[in-house]
Amino acid sequence: AQSVSQHNHHVILSEAASLELGCNYSYGGTVNLFWYVQYPGQHLQLLLKYFSGDPLVKGIKGFEAEFIKSKFSFNLRKPSVQWSDTAEYFCAVNTNNAGNMLTFGGGTRLMVKP
Amino acid sequence: DAGVIQSPRHEVTEMGQEVTLRCKPISGHNSLFWYRQTMMRGLELLIYFNNNVPIDDSGMPEDRFSAKMPNASFSTLKIQPSEPRDSAVYFCASSQLAGVSGELFFGEGSRLTVL
Repeated sequence: AQSVSQHNHHVILSEAASLELGCNYSYGGTVNLFWYVQYPGQHLQLLLKYFSGDPLVKGIKGFEAEFIKSKFSFNLRKPSVQWSDTAEYFCAVNTNNAGNMLTFGGGTRLMVKP
Repeated sequence: DAGVIQSPRHEVTEMGQEVTLRCKPISGHNSLFWYRQTMMRGLELLIYFNNNVPIDDSGMPEDRFSAKMPNASFSTLKIQPSEPRDSAVYFCASSQLAGVSGELFFGEGSRLTVL
């Protein structure tokens, strides 16, 4: 079965700092990759997704992620964070034989100091 | 579209009581998922349905947990009897099964506290 690891559990940044959150998955076959965000007190929302094609994916709010197949990674980046980016970020994966079932990583809590 | 609707938003109950959480998926979606979120274990998939049929319930913790989807617009997750370790936020999500695997749409969650 596939699994997802997010090594950074808590990240604290100042506004305008650059962000990179790590995500690694374990599955040898074809995968679809996702980043979800959960703002305080809210439900999960999709930030971006990768199915195929260009491994550099751009999402909402200036976020992007790069799929590196050789490293089984799908790291999330943002050049300059804002206070409003304070949230919990979840990486998720599904495989073509699992329907739409997503396996989530443990999440990374980001706090951006104003 | 109203999105995925869950109820109740908050529930506080005593150990041993029965808890029923409800979910209305987005109209037209034919996959429904129940996830549990805790600080210790993150987001765990409990069970999911395709076309109202349970596909994978391997994440259901134990027999105290049961889930049903009697029709395409309603699902329940029941805990009987509840225990303090069941305290968590329970999320329901729905998606369209056909085509390329895609986005899950989550509800606001039901925060359960078992005393």
